[in-house]
Amino acid sequence: DSGVTQTPKHLITATGQRVTLRCSPRSGDLSVYWYQQSLDQGLQFLIHYYNGEERAKGNILERFSAQQFPDLHSELNLSSLELGDSALYFCASSVDVGMDNEQFFGPGTRLTVL
Amino acid sequence: AQSVTQPDIHITVSEGASLELRCNYSYGATPYLFWYVQSPGQGLQLLLKYFSGDTLVQGIKGFEAEFKRSQSSFNLRKPSVHWSDAAEYFCAVGVTGGFKTIFGAGTRLFVKA
Repeated sequence: DSGVTQTPKHLITATGQRVTLRCSPRSGDLSVYWYQQSLDQGLQFLIHYYNGEERAKGNILERFSAQQFPDLHSELNLSSLELGDSALYFCASSVDVGMDNEQFFGPGTRLTVL
Repeated sequence: AQSVTQPDIHITVSEGASLELRCNYSYGATPYLFWYVQSPGQGLQLLLKYFSGDTLVQGIKGFEAEFKRSQSSFNLRKPSVHWSDAAEYFCAVGVTGGFKTIFGAGTRLFVKA
């Protein structure tokens, strides 16, 4: 158990819908990262927040957005969902912002878009 | 652009045999390098990391990796594989200043009895 929690574990929805994925980092961790893992794209970095502020963006679609709240939990919002958005979404957290900090991964949320 | 290549999509080794998983990276500066393992249905777990210093780094579960700047490689090794090592292994490079991590496509390890 990494200490990072993600809810829900599974999510099934239809095209065009909007969903919110939630992540609670390890106690004391200020950084939260979101990743998408799919069969065709592999593991892709989406976005990084540090202490409530966005620090880096990766291959995140405009239909996707995220935020980190004052209590440091984070939410990833996916809208106008398409079949290709079906994937495993991971959240990871680390103590600080530097790349020398180990990232601890949550168990993921499996999103299925029908 | 930064990238990570894991040339082997899957590898099968016998239990007790040695293992080497290959990783090549493309990055302009001195890289931050990582190896992660993902067991079925699980998140990723860090095996080891390299930032500087000794180019041979030791990790958890008996794994080690060697950084070779001249070859832009960071191969993962284990002298004797156990059945519980069957999983997917990801090599990654940390982009300093970009605060993001680029992952390779992964290598799935199968262990036969």
